[in-house]
Amino acid sequence: GQSLEQPSEVTAVEGAIVQINCTYQTSGFYGLSWYQQHDGGAPTFLSYNALDGLEETGRFSSFLSRSDSYGYLLLQELQMKDSASYFCSRKAGTALIFGKGTTLSVSS
Amino acid sequence: SAVISQKPSRDICQRGTSLTIQCQVDSQVTMMFWYRQQPGQSLTLIATANQGSEATYESGFVIDKFPISRPNLTFSTLTVSNMSPEDSSIYLCSGTRVDSYNEQFFGPGTRLTVL
Repeated sequence: GQSLEQPSEVTAVEGAIVQINCTYQTSGFYGLSWYQQHDGGAPTFLSYNALDGLEETGRFSSFLSRSDSYGYLLLQELQMKDSASYFCSRKAGTALIFGKGTTLSVSS
Repeated sequence: SAVISQKPSRDICQRGTSLTIQCQVDSQVTMMFWYRQQPGQSLTLIATANQGSEATYESGFVIDKFPISRPNLTFSTLTVSNMSPEDSSIYLCSGTRVDSYNEQFFGPGTRLTVL
């Protein structure tokens, strides 16, 4: 299979660090992407990991371990505007398969 | 980034009718896709829109129910046919750029309610 598993909800306070994990099945795996979607908005691309290791983009970082079939999105210095749904995804041919999404709620 | 627009942004339709959703992308987009997203749920791929030929449908989606056209590189339509309340969902058009294969850009979505 090609499914992805991620937690349904995460809560945190402003200024904190939160990690959203994603595990996947290895069949036909090329790389792991992360998307952010605010309520009522379109998904927007955050990051893509094809190789093991950490990719850093500002406050957001993404990590991949192929040997563990596991990745995570790390959000630092959380802000209220980071409250959104976060989806891990993987390629299925040229399109994407998405995990069920993790709803992040950031409180003051 | 890529510019992707959709219309209508939302519609309320009666059971048994059909609705055609239009998607316009900028010239940098090569691949085009259609997704469905139930409120509060994940995105499910309906099909890949192929220019000048039949779309490639995912398991569980058929051409008679979701006919798709892509007459040129920058335009595609998705029709939701013979609608039922179960078709109430957000329908999203997306694309990849020729120079950013691993990143998909999404349109704003069409929120469909079927009564």
